[in-house]
Amino acid sequence: EADIYQTPRYLVIGTGKKITLECSQTMGHDKMYWYQQDPGMELHLIHYSYGVNSTEKGDLSSESTVSRIRTEHFPLTLESARPSHTSQYLCASSEGTLLNEKLFFGSGTQLSVL
Amino acid sequence: DQQVKQNSPSLSVQEGRISILNCDYTNSMFDYFLWYKKYPAEGPTFLISISSIKDKNEDGRFTVFLNKSAKHLSLHIVPSQPGDSAVYFCAAVSGGGADGLTFGKGTHLIIQP
Repeated sequence: EADIYQTPRYLVIGTGKKITLECSQTMGHDKMYWYQQDPGMELHLIHYSYGVNSTEKGDLSSESTVSRIRTEHFPLTLESARPSHTSQYLCASSEGTLLNEKLFFGSGTQLSVL
Repeated sequence: DQQVKQNSPSLSVQEGRISILNCDYTNSMFDYFLWYKKYPAEGPTFLISISSIKDKNEDGRFTVFLNKSAKHLSLHIVPSQPGDSAVYFCAAVSGGGADGLTFGKGTHLIIQP
């Protein structure tokens, strides 16, 4: 059973606000990821991390930023939320073993920016 | 350009029958493929995977077939059960997956009683 947690599950916020989406995993995984998904669309990778102090941008350009100060924690921050940021944000982690990229996903954060 | 394509947005199957979900890919560097299942308002959960050195992998009611020459894979669910109703995502990775998975748009499977 995967142990990866995201908070909040749902967030409705006004334009211009700063928000942080939390993601924590207790599996000791080095690799962590943030995906963004809109209804009926594929999951797009926006950030990933190989381990502590490592952060990389994904395929989809995003105005969000991430940090990885601790292995278990990979928060995502939007400095100034806009309606175009409305989406579902999914955090994931993996063991990172070669040819074993099974990702464990959190339940996601549904963000609505008004 | 989409590298992983699931051309059927939805599929309706009668309970007890076989469900076949299809996925095509364009990147010949992909060497590992996975299927994920997703319920509304939840994160995807891993279902089954296959390495490019194999052409079939089976796990209970789920079987994944890979045709490398056609760059095509399929997920078979038999027999289909009501709890299988969900969105199924095909995903692919290359070179150990350092950069994460590439996902298709998903197929919404509906199992009818």
